[in-house]
Amino acid sequence: AQSVTQLGSHVSVSEGALVLLRCNYSSSVPPYLFWYVQYPNQGLQLLLKYTSAATLVKGINGFEAEFKKSETSFHLTKPSAHMSDAAEYFCAVSDGGFQKLVFGTGTRLLVSP
Amino acid sequence: SQTIHQWPATLVQPVGSPLSLECTVEGTSNPNLYWYRQAAGRGLQLLFYSVGIGQISSEVPQNLSASRPQDRQFILSSKKLLLSDSGFYLCAWSDVPGGRTEAFFGQGTRLTVV
Repeated sequence: AQSVTQLGSHVSVSEGALVLLRCNYSSSVPPYLFWYVQYPNQGLQLLLKYTSAATLVKGINGFEAEFKKSETSFHLTKPSAHMSDAAEYFCAVSDGGFQKLVFGTGTRLLVSP
Repeated sequence: SQTIHQWPATLVQPVGSPLSLECTVEGTSNPNLYWYRQAAGRGLQLLFYSVGIGQISSEVPQNLSASRPQDRQFILSSKKLLLSDSGFYLCAWSDVPGGRTEAFFGQGTRLTVV
């Protein structure tokens, strides 16, 4: 069964600093991996996805993530944080078959001026 | 383009009262539909999913049920709410079963059971 671990329930950065949100997955087959963002009292919006093509995936709002099989990781990064990036971020994994998306517990990103 | 509607946005219900949350999808046919619950600090928990009319799979046995009376309509229900049913409920759809593509989420319903 697939699982996802997001290290750090809260991450604080200053505006303009590097954003790094960590996600490690467990899967017995090549995984499909996703990052979603959630703003307060709203649904989830897809940031980016990895589906076995390029290991470096670029998403919306300047975010990108790199699939590292040897480390079973799919960390989310952004070179320069913006105040509008403050939100909760969820990593999710699937085996690509008819299995549900399994979500991590989320990381709340706080951006200070 | 496809859109997903979920209502109501917020709901306050007394313990023991019934519940009905509705979700509809527009702009696609035969979507795969999902109900998730999000509790504070606990991520998203898949409650039900459906691959077609009348086909419901339950992920977690609990005080809730789901129905799919029409192709693009998904309803979450309860006969008697418990305090523990409070949370943020999200409906989602995908055009491919399971996790080969992303799921698209509604805006959610904040349910408070008092």
